[in-house]
Amino acid sequence: GAGVSQSPSNKVTEKGKDVELRCDPISGHTALYWYRQSLGQGLEFLIYFQGNSAPDKSGLPSDRFSAERTGGSVSTLTIQRTQQEDSAVYLCASSGADGQPQHFGDGTRLSIL
Amino acid sequence: RKEVEQDPGPFNVPEGATVAFNCTYSNSASQSFFWYRQDCRKEPKLLMSVYSSGNEDGRFTAQLNRASQYISLLIRDSKLSDSATYLCVVRRGSTLGRLYFGRGTQLTVWP
Repeated sequence: GAGVSQSPSNKVTEKGKDVELRCDPISGHTALYWYRQSLGQGLEFLIYFQGNSAPDKSGLPSDRFSAERTGGSVSTLTIQRTQQEDSAVYLCASSGADGQPQHFGDGTRLSIL
Repeated sequence: RKEVEQDPGPFNVPEGATVAFNCTYSNSASQSFFWYRQDCRKEPKLLMSVYSSGNEDGRFTAQLNRASQYISLLIRDSKLSDSATYLCVVRRGSTLGRLYFGRGTQLTVWP
């Protein structure tokens, strides 16, 4: 497809388990972003990848969160030892190098029991 | 202080009404400005970029006041389909970099 693709759409897991969320950006987009949105809250920046540069990890809330982007395309966000406060919608976005705005995927709705 | 502040609303207006949303940003280094729209349980979608001279897209008009660090969105002739949350968004760089989101202004247009 032409848009940003995220998987899974929904994930329910028990507290303490690890989860991996995947993002496929729009083809050719060099920049990739992860955000999360908790119920009734605004979007919170997590991490940003741009080409081969070191990622901007300034938004990651704890060391349980990590992300990688392999081959400059697909990205995986990993949350270790999940906690109930990690429940949120995790949104991925991508943009080209031409200054165009970011385009978002449908998100992964994560629920921690 | 939050990077982007918006009146959360809700705004409830009848069809055909004109409604305006305001937003302020705290960092004078901000260079790019947008309005996104988010429907319930959906991802944010770009509504329009905001340019220094102001810009219009059909029934939607966006204004930017850099001196006051203030952004506005005007919707004329509201439609039922305009019901959504409107997100004020800024970026410090002109091309790339993370976006800073306001918490959104909720709009409901009733028949």
